[in-house]
Amino acid sequence: AQSVTQLDSHVSVSEGTPVLLRCNYSSSYSPSLFWYVQHPNKGLQLLLKYTSAATLVKGINGFEAEFKKSETSFHLTKPSAHMSDAAEYFCVVIDTGFQKLVFGTGTRLLVSP
Amino acid sequence: DAGVTQSPTHLIKTRGQQVTLRCSPKSGHDTVSWYQQALGQGPQFIFQYYEEEERQRGNFPDRFSGHQFPNYSSELNVNALLLGDSALYLCASSLVRQGYTDTQYFGPGTRLTVL
Repeated sequence: AQSVTQLDSHVSVSEGTPVLLRCNYSSSYSPSLFWYVQHPNKGLQLLLKYTSAATLVKGINGFEAEFKKSETSFHLTKPSAHMSDAAEYFCVVIDTGFQKLVFGTGTRLLVSP
Repeated sequence: DAGVTQSPTHLIKTRGQQVTLRCSPKSGHDTVSWYQQALGQGPQFIFQYYEEEERQRGNFPDRFSGHQFPNYSSELNVNALLLGDSALYLCASSLVRQGYTDTQYFGPGTRLTVL
């Protein structure tokens, strides 16, 4: 079965500095991977998705992620954090056999002025 | 273009009661999935409906049941509520393409509190 592991439960950055949220996946075949963001008391918003096209995926709000098969990683990055980026971020793999999303445990991003 | 909508926004019930949550999918979508998100955790898959049938089910007891209507909207029913059912319930809609489910888009959720 597919799974994802988010390596950090919390990440703190200063506004204007780079963001790195780490995610490793486990899959017996080429997976479809996603990053979703959840602001407090809100639903989930899709940031970006990887579906075996380009390994570097660009998403909304300046975020991007790179699929690295050799490292089984799909880390999320942003060159410069903004206060509005403070939220919970989920790395997600789709279980294509069963069409369901499998979520990581989440990483809370804190952005200080 | 309306996105995924859910009702109600918040709900308070007592143990043993039954609850029904509702979801309207994004325009053009034909598949609805339900997820439970307990406080401080990632969402867990409950089940998915396509063509008015339960297509796949996660590890949830039979107290959790659902329905999909001809207009693709869906309901989630939970019977005999337990304190542990308190959570944010998220609905996601998507479109089946060539046999697989495309990107899922989420609604704002229904916050259920069981006292």
